[in-house]
Amino acid sequence: DQQVKQNSPSLSVQEGRISILNCDYTNSMFDYFLWYKKYPAEGPTFLISISSIKDKNEDGRFTVFLNKSAKHLSLHIVPSQPGDSAVYFCAASQSNFGNEKLTFGTGTRLTIIP
Amino acid sequence: ETGVTQSPTHLIKTRGQQVTLRCSSQSGHNTVSWYQQALGQGPQFIFQYYREEENGRGNFPPRFSGLQFPNYSSELNVNALELDDSALYLCASSLGPSGANVLTFGAGSRLTVL
Repeated sequence: DQQVKQNSPSLSVQEGRISILNCDYTNSMFDYFLWYKKYPAEGPTFLISISSIKDKNEDGRFTVFLNKSAKHLSLHIVPSQPGDSAVYFCAASQSNFGNEKLTFGTGTRLTIIP
Repeated sequence: ETGVTQSPTHLIKTRGQQVTLRCSSQSGHNTVSWYQQALGQGPQFIFQYYREEENGRGNFPPRFSGLQFPNYSSELNVNALELDDSALYLCASSLGPSGANVLTFGAGSRLTVL
């Protein structure tokens, strides 16, 4: 049972435009959501997170939006840069679970076209 | 500040063999989690170690076991290897076993089982 889903395996965006990556989840117990970025031959690196008590969190060019009623979150990157080309993973956890078990989606490969 | 380091980076084993993967956590981090990332999938939680004890486990059989040492480094052991164990094994460390903590990942150990 895939509790975190990223339905777009790949996305191509022109440099300077907005990139929007989507993620859906099914487990209503999740209350903390994160985006990780992964380059080839490297481990995933943390990008941005959001708690379920918020609906938006912004950090520079990156903004994450959370719609709890739809169990949907999205990552907006604006403006997109060539260095943003990577695989992006959405992940979710239960912050009061006592451990950091993250449930990941399958990832979206973002390609920024110069 | 050193990051998470994993060894070996690549290894090839045959079915039925045993393997040990090693992980050194980031300086100041006392919690280590292990994830398995199969090809085309997101990372899947194997287990977490905190204070040298297992602190949560995903849906993996008992032939997946681990250790955490007093210096917070960790090992993942897999016995009776199967073809489906071929994957990238990621180690992540964090400040403590809270679902709201950010994980810092290593680059992974890629295991191929023939």
